[in-house]
Amino acid sequence: DVKVTQSSRYLVKRTGEKVFLECVQDMDHENMFWYRQDPGLGLRLIYFSYDVKMKEKGDIPEGYSVSREKKERFSLILESASTNQTSMYLCASRTTGQANEKLFFGSGTQLSVL
Amino acid sequence: AQSVTQPDIHITVSEGASLELRCNYSYGATPYLFWYVQSPGQGLQLLLKYFSGDTLVQGIKGFEAEFKRSQSSFNLRKPSVHWSDAAEYFCAVGPFGGYQKVTFGTGTKLQVIP
Repeated sequence: DVKVTQSSRYLVKRTGEKVFLECVQDMDHENMFWYRQDPGLGLRLIYFSYDVKMKEKGDIPEGYSVSREKKERFSLILESASTNQTSMYLCASRTTGQANEKLFFGSGTQLSVL
Repeated sequence: AQSVTQPDIHITVSEGASLELRCNYSYGATPYLFWYVQSPGQGLQLLLKYFSGDTLVQGIKGFEAEFKRSQSSFNLRKPSVHWSDAAEYFCAVGPFGGYQKVTFGTGTKLQVIP
């Protein structure tokens, strides 16, 4: 079965720390996404990537960067964590092509920045 | 810019009653439309999707949705709700053909009372 794995389920960091959130998919998908989920705000797109080393800003990229050195891995980086980045982070990868169009989500990383 | 509006933040229905969750989208071309469900403590699961053809689409768990281009809507329905349907429901829109972002609404939380 399809699998999107996020390295940590819970993470606690301090303000100012550099934080790496890792996501790995085993489906050879070209598209990968990082969303954050906050109560009342739904899922908001931070960054997405449509190929290795290719990235596009989503709707809320400020304070984040990403890395896609290999097709299966898409990393989200918080250069200097702040308390307003406390959130649930969801990684997804995507099949494309009409009937197969679908996002596969990881189980999420709940990040707390103190 | 593409966007999705889910006007109802919370909905409460009695078990066995019918359900309709509203979704309005804004997109300039032919959209892919999706409904995802997130059960408590679970990841997001695809319920159904529309990309072309019959405007009434059937999904899993007895859900269906109707695409109405004239109203820019993609409302989700179920004739008889079960207690296990209590969850948060997200509508999403993406471009036809992939390689671009998928935008989610803010979600509707469904409560089912006995």
